[in-house]
Amino acid sequence: EDQVTQSPEALRLQEGESSSLNCSYTVSGLRGLFWYRQDPGKGPEFLFTLYSAGEEKEKERLKATLTKKESFLHITAPKPEDSATYLCAVRKGNNRLAFGKGNQVVVIP
Amino acid sequence: GAGVSQSPSNKVTEKGKDVELRCDPISGHTALYWYRQRLGQGLEFLIYFQGNSAPDKSGLPSDRFSAERTGESVSTLTIQRTQQEDSAVYLCASSKGPDSNQPQHFGDGTRLSIL
Repeated sequence: EDQVTQSPEALRLQEGESSSLNCSYTVSGLRGLFWYRQDPGKGPEFLFTLYSAGEEKEKERLKATLTKKESFLHITAPKPEDSATYLCAVRKGNNRLAFGKGNQVVVIP
Repeated sequence: GAGVSQSPSNKVTEKGKDVELRCDPISGHTALYWYRQRLGQGLEFLIYFQGNSAPDKSGLPSDRFSAERTGESVSTLTIQRTQQEDSAVYLCASSKGPDSNQPQHFGDGTRLSIL
């Protein structure tokens, strides 16, 4: 069965303290790994798509990387506004997304 | 509109009642998806539309759940004879097409509470 596991479940960071979130997956026929950000009471907001091992994408303080078994979302010098739940999802050939449970990040000023 | 719009934003109903949830996708997006997010759980896929047809409805949890899409635009998700376990946030997403390089863009969901 396809699985997406995110760790740690929850993370508290001091402002400026860089860290990484992990998304490990077991899926055959991967057709994209997606990172989303979700704020309380809101829908997921698209951040990145990664397709092949070795690929990297960056946006402001966020950088996503991909290997054959996992993806990392690196947060560099986080600010309080980076507090959110970060969701990882994989897509197979049938277009559905399979999501992990998320990494809840709190950045303390 | 600029984004995916869902209504109502909140719905409270009694067990056994039917509910209808609405999704307006981004204009021009041909693919539409419904997901369910239970407290403390990851998003669960429910159904996928390409145009007005649903090539994948395998995620619908029971025959109490149904969905339709008309005019390659608005979609409605209907839950009949609601149960307490149906309480969740129901999220709709749309994308330009079924291609794997098209990200899905989500609405803010309908928070459904069954009393």
